[in-house]
Amino acid sequence: QKEVEQDPGPLSVPEGAIVSLNCTYSNSAFQYFMWYRQYSRKGPELLMYTYSSGNKEDGRFTAQVDKSSKYISLFIRDSQPSDSATYLCAMSKLDDKIIFGKGTRLHILP
Amino acid sequence: DTGVSQDPRHKITKRGQNVTFRCDPISEHNRLYWYRQTLGQGPEFLTYFQNEAQLEKSRLLSNRFSAERPKGSFSTLEIQRTEQGDSAMYLCASSKTGTTPDTQYFGPGTRLTVL
Repeated sequence: QKEVEQDPGPLSVPEGAIVSLNCTYSNSAFQYFMWYRQYSRKGPELLMYTYSSGNKEDGRFTAQVDKSSKYISLFIRDSQPSDSATYLCAMSKLDDKIIFGKGTRLHILP
Repeated sequence: DTGVSQDPRHKITKRGQNVTFRCDPISEHNRLYWYRQTLGQGPEFLTYFQNEAQLEKSRLLSNRFSAERPKGSFSTLEIQRTEQGDSAMYLCASSKTGTTPDTQYFGPGTRLTVL
């Protein structure tokens, strides 16, 4: 079993819809949970992170972590065509290297 | 604002040739990472430096790969005797110690194609 599992998609949704992206993981020692966005031919950029369990909101983006289920989610409200990208979940233990998921390709249809 | 830069952006080489890539991190960042990303996969950790010290190397990094960061600023990644399986995007990232979590900023990557 891979440490981090993420459905590669592609996921296509109409503009304005709520998008839900998810990852599962196996290592209960992970403490930091991150979401990166990667546009085509670019490096990943950090969108947001959470520490341990709980929710975090930043504008149209909400990250959720459920450590009991080893499940993390990213919600995008009022999705825009500019949100079309690959979204990578990532996680790490304290002061350790980051482990990335495969990424989910998201297409927002105008 | 100068982010992480990588050179070249694209490299096409023949099998068996040596290639070298360069990464210039954000100037005040003392940590530097190399990752490899293949199509449909997330970045896979290769190695990392804190200042000029190479602190960790992945098992993915065969003895054909070597990385240096001689003065704790830019870094180079060399692949000797390239193989077709080395074709990938090579990403560099940098960060500053003391940030929690380790907030890494990525460069645009070098896309390597081995013919």
